[in-house]
Amino acid sequence: EAGVAQSPRYKIIEKRQSVAFWCNPISGHATLYWYQQILGQGPKLLIQFQNNGVVDDSQLPKDRFSAERLKGVDSTLKIQPAKLEDSAVYLCASSPRANTEAFFGQGTRLTVV
Amino acid sequence: ILNVEQSPQSLHVQEGDSTNFTCSFPSSNFYALHWYRWETAKSPEALFVMTLNGDEKKKGRISATLNTKEGYSYLYIKGSQPEDSATYLCAFIWGGSEKLVFGKGTKLTVNP
Repeated sequence: EAGVAQSPRYKIIEKRQSVAFWCNPISGHATLYWYQQILGQGPKLLIQFQNNGVVDDSQLPKDRFSAERLKGVDSTLKIQPAKLEDSAVYLCASSPRANTEAFFGQGTRLTVV
Repeated sequence: ILNVEQSPQSLHVQEGDSTNFTCSFPSSNFYALHWYRWETAKSPEALFVMTLNGDEKKKGRISATLNTKEGYSYLYIKGSQPEDSATYLCAFIWGGSEKLVFGKGTKLTVNP
């Protein structure tokens, strides 16, 4: 079974630039999560999708972050414009349904300079 | 605001030592607790999904217990090996929600 795919693995951008991350979850998984993990902290949920609907985006900084999950499969997370404090690892995870074990991708390490 | 606390923040042990860490979570309206292991440059992977008070789960040298009434879970590693070095994360789900809320993790380093 193929795992959760994320790209790119690494990205370095200047502040005020834009960046987008892509996630392809495990086939058939209805739930998709985007987490932000800042060094020294635990993963923070940014947004959770159930199929192509948003379940929770209460911690997504909506003035600069956006996410979509077209057709309930792949998802993209965008930051526009980036700030220095956005430097983090962005993890995508999926699960067959909410509340079950989550399967994670390898993450995208973003550095904003 | 839900708080999931993990302790210690980091731990250094010698190969062969046994060790344990704690995850504390709100005791009301419990639904499930997950443990994940996150090795450097890899994806976090699930170790255990625990749902019942008194649950004990085991995978090789790693085991976990759950006390939902007092709001804690312990993760034990028996005879630590260098390959056990990783960050161990717990994640909590409460009834009525579908969110996985993570603690900050315990970073374990096992010295040969």
